[in-house]
Amino acid sequence: SQTIHQWPATLVQPVGSPLSLECTVEGTSNPNLYWYRQAAGRGLQLLFYSVGIGQISSEVPQNLSASRPQDRQFILSSKKLLLSDSGFYLCAWRVTETQYFGPGTRLLVL
Amino acid sequence: AQKITQTQPGMFVQEKEAVTLDCTYDTSDPSYGLFWYKQPSSGEMIFLIYQGSYDQQNATEGRYSLNFQKARKSANLVISASQLGDSAMYFCAMREPDSNYQLIWGAGTKLIIKP
Repeated sequence: SQTIHQWPATLVQPVGSPLSLECTVEGTSNPNLYWYRQAAGRGLQLLFYSVGIGQISSEVPQNLSASRPQDRQFILSSKKLLLSDSGFYLCAWRVTETQYFGPGTRLLVL
Repeated sequence: AQKITQTQPGMFVQEKEAVTLDCTYDTSDPSYGLFWYKQPSSGEMIFLIYQGSYDQQNATEGRYSLNFQKARKSANLVISASQLGDSAMYFCAMREPDSNYQLIWGAGTKLIIKP
């Protein structure tokens, strides 16, 4: 069966510091991968999606970037975090119709 | 314009009662998909049920069913015999064609089951 991992689970970072969040999927090949952000008490905002290795589409211009170095690995990065980057970051994968989500990373930027 | 509308920001329901969570959507394309997800306080987004626009029957998954009324553009989630563990945020989402399967999300409904 398929599983999706995200780490770290929680992160507290100072403003201006770099960021790297990792997402890996097991048990499937060639998935579409997605990064979402959720502000407290709000819905999901799509940040990036990827249909294959090295293929990234950005939905929201900002100081975040994404990379897909391997088929089942998706990384969200920033060179300098802003206060507004705080939130809950969710990774998702899809092969057929449905997107399945990882456990998420709570990021607090101070 | 809002494409997915969930009009109930919060609901209180007595345990063992049935619950209906409202979702209306807006699209001009005949081919689309509708999803419901559950998000407990832990944060993980859990897939519950899917309805395709061409599906003839309403989708069902255990205690969850989707009341799909295409003409009214409505896709309400029905939870039968609610349990305390059903307390969570519930999100309705829509997939439009030619969108690389991106989902458009509603604002969510917070459901609290009372013992």
